[in-house]
Amino acid sequence: DTGVSQNPRHKITKRGQNVTFRCDPISEHNRLYWYRQTLGQGPEFLTYFQNEAQLEKSRLLSDRFSAERPKGSFSTLEIQRTEQGDSAMYLCASSLVLVGSSYNSPLHFGNGTRLTVT
Amino acid sequence: AQRVTQPEKLLSVFKGAPVELKCNYSYSGSPELFWYVQYSRQRLQLLLRHISRESIKGFTADLNKGETSFHLKKPFAQEEDSAMYYCALLDYGQNFVFGPGTRLSVLP
Repeated sequence: DTGVSQNPRHKITKRGQNVTFRCDPISEHNRLYWYRQTLGQGPEFLTYFQNEAQLEKSRLLSDRFSAERPKGSFSTLEIQRTEQGDSAMYLCASSLVLVGSSYNSPLHFGNGTRLTVT
Repeated sequence: AQRVTQPEKLLSVFKGAPVELKCNYSYSGSPELFWYVQYSRQRLQLLLRHISRESIKGFTADLNKGETSFHLKKPFAQEEDSAMYYCALLDYGQNFVFGPGTRLSVLP
């Protein structure tokens, strides 16, 4: 399967602990997005990368959240000092943007990482 | 700010009935709109995008700039259409903004 892969699928952690999630996008995709989804809501944008550059970060994103995509391939999302309100499904998606054009392929999503903070 | 609204959280129809899932948006430019679907225990996947003007699984959606709407329609619903449906907007070619979703339940 050459789709978007996310690990782990589930993470249970105690409040105050740090957690890190990994996303492996579709290999030819240069854009990588992180979203958060809570029950009854649509995906909420967190941040996105083009290659290794982080181009936009949601204003709603706390300083406890950081994301990296060091070699323009996989990405990690870290949450420091987790809080119960961080409990959610964290979705990764990738797309292909053709440089020099306005073309942006649709998003391809992973299965998500479900975080539970106790 | 760009927004996508889906007024119905839940829509129930009988098999064979027509279905329309509503989506409205607010956007200052020329929007690019999508419908994504999530079947039970599966990942979010693209259903259709307005620029391709395709009909996927019998669904169509027409962009109405005057009403700022992109409603999803199907003339005869099937039980396998039961899923969560999300309308999304591509924001200035950079970011995808999603609506809250509508759960479609097709009853036998």
